[in-house]
Amino acid sequence: EAAVTQSPRSKVAVTGGKVTLSCHQTNNHDYMYWYRQDTGHGLRLIHYSYVADSTEKGDIPDGYKASRPSQENFSLILELASLSQTAVYFCASSAGTGGSAETLYFGSGTRLTVL
Amino acid sequence: GQQVKQSSPSLTVQEGGILILNCDYENDMFDYFAWYKKYPDNSPTLLISVRSNVDKREDGRFTVFLNKSGKHFSLHITASQPEDTAVYLCAAGLNQGGSAKLIFGEGTKLTVSS
Repeated sequence: EAAVTQSPRSKVAVTGGKVTLSCHQTNNHDYMYWYRQDTGHGLRLIHYSYVADSTEKGDIPDGYKASRPSQENFSLILELASLSQTAVYFCASSAGTGGSAETLYFGSGTRLTVL
Repeated sequence: GQQVKQSSPSLTVQEGGILILNCDYENDMFDYFAWYKKYPDNSPTLLISVRSNVDKREDGRFTVFLNKSGKHFSLHITASQPEDTAVYLCAAGLNQGGSAKLIFGEGTKLTVSS
């Protein structure tokens, strides 16, 4: 069974503060992703990575940075948190391209509230 | 603009009924299409997927139909059950340079009433 673990499960941050969301996978997958979920928007891709020490911008990267220090770990960093970044954040991993390799395995999500 | 769009924010169906969830996409290069299911306060899980070289894929009560010329795919659920009540997210992806990036629709909240 694929395992993607996110921490923390929830967090309250102050506007302008720095927030780091962590994700760890034990699937030996090359690809990792950060999505945010907002009502009416489904899941939107923030950043992704297909190899350690490299990250790519997704569809809504502004205000976010990502870090992939190893194959297993992928972090999302909000340097200056803003109210508009209140959302649920999902990390996911996949093996890559080719048939079932596109299947995303999601973590449990992190509920971030920025006050 | 929204690259992947679900036209119905919500649907209600009677238990045992048949329902169709629809998804439209903009990029005709997309070659992978999927439906994910999400219960409240849970993470999305893959329900069924299809590649662009086929028009249909069936898995039990769930069938995906792909209409490439219309840039549209749909999920048909037969004999709906209360446990089908969930949010359904369609997703489409492009195999570009080895990247397996999926774009999701907004989601359709399905309620199956008994």
